[in-house]
Amino acid sequence: QKEVEQNSGPLSVPEGAIASLNCTYSDRGSQSFFWYRQYSGKSPELIMSIYSNGDKEDGRFTAQLNKASQYVSLLIRDSQPSDSATYLCAVNIKNFGNEKLTFGTGTRLTIIP
Amino acid sequence: NAGVTQTPKFRILKIGQSMTLQCAQDMNHNYMYWYRQDPGMGLKLIYYSVGAGITDKGEVPNGYNVSRSTTEDFPLRLELAAPSQTSVYFCASSYSQGSGNTIYFGEGSWLTVV
Repeated sequence: QKEVEQNSGPLSVPEGAIASLNCTYSDRGSQSFFWYRQYSGKSPELIMSIYSNGDKEDGRFTAQLNKASQYVSLLIRDSQPSDSATYLCAVNIKNFGNEKLTFGTGTRLTIIP
Repeated sequence: NAGVTQTPKFRILKIGQSMTLQCAQDMNHNYMYWYRQDPGMGLKLIYYSVGAGITDKGEVPNGYNVSRSTTEDFPLRLELAAPSQTSVYFCASSYSQGSGNTIYFGEGSWLTVV
């Protein structure tokens, strides 16, 4: 099992709809979870972080965490064409006593006007 | 405030050549990282450093070397370039490591080995 798994997509969503991105992770002890957005040819930029079970909202973005089921998701409401990008899930995974930020392969999201 | 600065942005190398990717940060961060990203893939950690004089291997260190003589700089050295090292390289930094810590990325260096 991969440490952090995401559906690679592509995921196509009509403009104005809700985009739902999912991520599962292997380390039950993980405490920190992040969503990065990466536009083509650019570096990743942090858009959400979440540390506790439940929902965390920031503008049109909502991160959801369920530690018991080991999944974290990102909802994008009122999707805009500018949201078209690859979304990377990142989880702090314990590795020989250290925590390492481990990335999934990313989900490519396309918002259709 | 420049953040994390990488140079060069683009480079073509011939097989067997050597080069150094430069990385500097001006945020006084203790931790610095080098990742590589292959097309359609996530980021894989090559090396990281927890402070000046201390470095450690990540997930894919073979073929690379690093040094950390100052807090600000963390260069990545490719000694004998191979086609498998064709990738995009991202340098990153953070104040500390672990829960709740945010990593800041440089703009990336595109490397092609032919």
